[in-house]
Parts: sequence; structure tokens; C-alpha cells
Amino acid sequence: SQQGEEDPQALSIQEGENATMNCSYKTSINNLQWYRQNSGRGLVHLILIRSNEREKHSGRLRVTLDTSKKSSSLLITASRAADTASYFCATVQGAQKLVFGQGTRLTINP
Amino acid sequence: DGGITQSPKYLFRKEGQNVTLSCEQNLNHDAMYWYRQDPGQGLRLIYYSQIVNDFQKGDIAEGYSVSREKKESFPLTVTSAQKNPTAFYLCASSISGRAANEQFFGPGTRLTVL
Repeated sequence: SQQGEEDPQALSIQEGENATMNCSYKTSINNLQWYRQNSGRGLVHLILIRSNEREKHSGRLRVTLDTSKKSSSLLITASRAADTASYFCATVQGAQKLVFGQGTRLTINP
Repeated sequence: DGGITQSPKYLFRKEGQNVTLSCEQNLNHDAMYWYRQDPGQGLRLIYYSQIVNDFQKGDIAEGYSVSREKKESFPLTVTSAQKNPTAFYLCASSISGRAANEQFFGPGTRLTVL
């Protein structure tokens, strides 16, 4: 079953603007990961945030985690056309499985 | 180059045929995974293997089979029992079987049933 639910399902913004995507989940997690998928390609790992962390940065990416609300957000600052892709959150259930959400399709307009 | 490869990139199958999708990694990872992705959807886990000669069913294993005879290889067979096999198939690996680890994905195989 899909636990992570991304919001919005699709987002279209102008180049240079910031993009924010949200992920909600239902059960306790060990960590939460964000991945990116360009159309027709495999996924690429972006960032991992542990359940005892609240915020993490990687370049133009900022991820927050609120375990009390069971939610995470991914912020991409100063967006570029190359950021156009689908973004997925994945939550770790138990020790063995990643459960992926349905993704947010991000389009950056030049 | 280190990485994970899948072949073929596109595969066409007639109804009633079994087909095997290849997945190879030279990252020396213990764990390997197979996912299915339908258009506009997330990934669903088919099978995973934490170590050679061992594998477990994921959420949608019916109609699929796997083997893990070598650390580097985790082929997926889509059998005729899979009623709706047209999809994008992604293979992944991670350094160990703990899902807390980052997974590395191959480029995918798009399977179409004619």
C-alpha cells in the first residue's frame, strides 16, 4: 500500500521561483527519503532525513520533517528548467521496505 | 563505471509468453529490488533480495518470479499469470538490506504486451 502521499500532484512554476512539495504519511517511520525521476528514467536519490531530524539541506534543496504531523516538505529554491521532473517521497517501514508515494510532477517554465 | 544496468530498455511480449528482465549491478551491494510503475503512479514493490540465494515477496508478487544466484544479478520473470503486465519496471540496489539505506536505480525497462 502507498503510505506517502505527495501534495500537490502537479506543480507548474516560473524559472527562478521556489517550489514546495509536501508528503504525508500514516505510520511511524525510521527515516524519510526524497527521490527525483526524470521522464522515462530511473529514480535518483536526493536526500534522506532521519526521524530525529527536523531539517536538512543539500545545495538548493531543503527538507523538513514534522513527526508530530507525520509530514515532510521538499523545497527547491531558485528553480531551473532542469528541475522539471517527478518527485517522490519514500518512507521506511520496518527494516526492509521503502514505500513510495505517487509523486509530484514539477514543471519549470522558462 | 559503477552502476546498475537493466536490459532491454523496451520489451514487447505477446499474451501468454513469459519474459525475463535483466538487472545487473557492480556496486557490490547486498540488496536488490524490483518495482513496477504504472503511468502517473508511484512505485510498487514486486520482490526484493537482501542476500544471495534469498528473496522475499513484495506487495504485488503475483505473476512474477525472481532468482538471486549471483550477488550482481537479480533477473525478473514476468509470467503469463500476470494479467496486466504492461508497465515500467525498475530495478534498484542498496548496500545492505536495511531499507534505511539509499537505493540506487537502474534506467528501467518498459514492457508492453501486444
